[in-house]
Amino acid sequence: DQQVKQNSPSLSVQEGRISILNCDYTNSMFDYFLWYKKYPAEGPTFLISISSIKDKNEDGRFTVFLNKSAKHLSLHIVPSQPGDSAVYFCAASVSSASKIIFGSGTRLSIRP
Amino acid sequence: NAGVTQTPKFQVLKTGQSMTLQCAQDMNHNSMYWYRQDPGMGLRLIYYSASEGTTDKGEVPNGYNVSRLNKREFSLRLESAAPSQTSVYFCASSVEGEGGPFGPGTRLTVL
Repeated sequence: DQQVKQNSPSLSVQEGRISILNCDYTNSMFDYFLWYKKYPAEGPTFLISISSIKDKNEDGRFTVFLNKSAKHLSLHIVPSQPGDSAVYFCAASVSSASKIIFGSGTRLSIRP
Repeated sequence: NAGVTQTPKFQVLKTGQSMTLQCAQDMNHNSMYWYRQDPGMGLRLIYYSASEGTTDKGEVPNGYNVSRLNKREFSLRLESAAPSQTSVYFCASSVEGEGGPFGPGTRLTVL
């Protein structure tokens, strides 16, 4: 039973446009949400996070939105750049418990 | 400041052999994790450790054991490797439940 779901295995976006990656979760105890980016043959790298007390967090070109009632979060990248082509993982945790659960990932391809 | 280091980078085992994957972090983080990545399955949590001396099962703990030797080191042991354990293994560390670094991964093949 997947607690964190990324239903789109892949996404293709034109350079300069907005990329929107989606993530759903089922465990209402989750109170901290994270996005990681992964290039081939490397470990994932932390991108951005959001606490459940907020509904938006922004860091440069990256913005994460959280809709607690829908148990849904999204990552917006604008403008998209060629270096953004990677696999993006959504993750969630109960912050007091340290356990971080990941989704299955979405492969983002930025086309010229 | 190396972040999270893992050894070895690659390993080939025969079914039934044992091995230990090593992980160390220099971030002074309390929490450490072991994940495996398989095609289409994302990153699945094997075991985690919230602090030195404590370990807990994750989503897929069967066939693995872990040791949190001290605050820096968290090792993963396969006592009797099986082909289903062929995967890429990642170690990570963090402040409790927050974003933190991953190691470069260990690519394990079990024949």
